[in-house]
Amino acid sequence: DAKTTQPPSMDCAEGRAANLPCNHSTISGNEYVYWYRQIHSQGPQYIIHGLKNNETNEMASLIITEDRKSSTLILPHATLRDTAVYYCIVRGGDYKLSFGAGTTVTVRA
Amino acid sequence: DAGVIQSPRHEVTEMGQEVTLRCKPISGHNSLFWYRQTMMRGLELLIYFNNNVPIDDSGMPEDRFSAKMPNASFSTLKIQPSEPRDSAVYFCASSRGTGTGGTQPQHFGDGTRLSIL
Repeated sequence: DAKTTQPPSMDCAEGRAANLPCNHSTISGNEYVYWYRQIHSQGPQYIIHGLKNNETNEMASLIITEDRKSSTLILPHATLRDTAVYYCIVRGGDYKLSFGAGTTVTVRA
Repeated sequence: DAGVIQSPRHEVTEMGQEVTLRCKPISGHNSLFWYRQTMMRGLELLIYFNNNVPIDDSGMPEDRFSAKMPNASFSTLKIQPSEPRDSAVYFCASSRGTGTGGTQPQHFGDGTRLSIL
């Protein structure tokens, strides 16, 4: 699976949109971009995934660039409960999920 | 909908004791995964079941670890005898389908925090 690069940390104001970037320049054609988050003392939580097109669900939006070398997870209205470590994962045929260091997102009141 | 349910949430026991961790996957999911998370090694896949059959146990650390899935709604991970280095958070996850391919997300339980004294 392709490697991803994320900023180690970012802050966000409560009520504002949080935009989390991820670079995956070596992604191949059959690999999906997945986002998970892990809130302290909880298990990893699936957020969203996509292949080429932008995706939206009740939690977030995923914007994938046309060349698929990078993507952005958007939390439209961040709340204090969104404070967590966010992981961008590129996944093809393998069932193993490989979590990197992720981005520690702190939402401030 | 109920998510993946793990028990116990916390377990503290002495070295040498047998430890059994339990998992109930999401109904309708036919792939089940056991992971271990530590600060040093991050999240590691221990074993993967599909349709109750172990497909890949290459991540199981050693013979002290064993896992079973007697039916579609229950799995156990057993450590016997336990050692202090087994202290970690153990997660169970489940997904639809074979678990391979990029289209089926894995959904995790809240884990069992295991401490071996």
